[in-house]
Amino acid sequence: DAGVIQSPRHEVTEMGQEVTLRCKPISGHNSLFWYRQTMMRGLELLIYFNNNVPIDDSGMPEDRFSAKMPNASFSTLKIQPSEPRDSAVYFCASSLGERTGYGYTFGSGTRLTVV
Amino acid sequence: QQQVKQSPQSLIVQKGGIPIINCAYENTAFDYFPWYQQFPGKGPALLIAIRPDVSEKKEGRFTISFNKSAKQFSLHIMDSQPGDSATYFCAASKGDYKLSFGAGTTVTVRA
Repeated sequence: DAGVIQSPRHEVTEMGQEVTLRCKPISGHNSLFWYRQTMMRGLELLIYFNNNVPIDDSGMPEDRFSAKMPNASFSTLKIQPSEPRDSAVYFCASSLGERTGYGYTFGSGTRLTVV
Repeated sequence: QQQVKQSPQSLIVQKGGIPIINCAYENTAFDYFPWYQQFPGKGPALLIAIRPDVSEKKEGRFTISFNKSAKQFSLHIMDSQPGDSATYFCAASKGDYKLSFGAGTTVTVRA
């Protein structure tokens, strides 16, 4: 299995532009998570999907952030408009079940820089 | 507000040494405590996990010690190697989907 695949690996954009991050979870995994990692705040859960349905989006910073999962093999995280404080590494993770005991498999992340 | 407090922030050991990372929590509802290992440019990867009914768990050179009464747990890396140089995160969960991560510890093992 290729693992969780994220694209792009790096993204540099100007403030105010729309940014779309993409994720392909492991086939058969029915839970998908988007995390953000920064030096100041560590790993933060942004949103959790189970069977393609958003279950918990309480971690989404504000209305500028949105996430979709149109099918079991694809998810997007969109930031519109982007701001410099959004600069971070964004991780997608998937899991076989909805309990953490199954373990998360993380992708390699997208490093976003907003200038 | 971090629900899991991790220390130290970083540590350096010589090859063969035993780096020890400590974590503490307050929420007694937590019942699953994994450790994740992250190499530069990669996502965190599950390393080892423990549940509170066990006081110690070993997998290869990695050992978790768990003290339920003190609400603390720690990771020991036996006979550490330069390839173990990474950032380690402890985490805790109430058994649902949500993991609360510690701030991370960067371990450097010098050859």
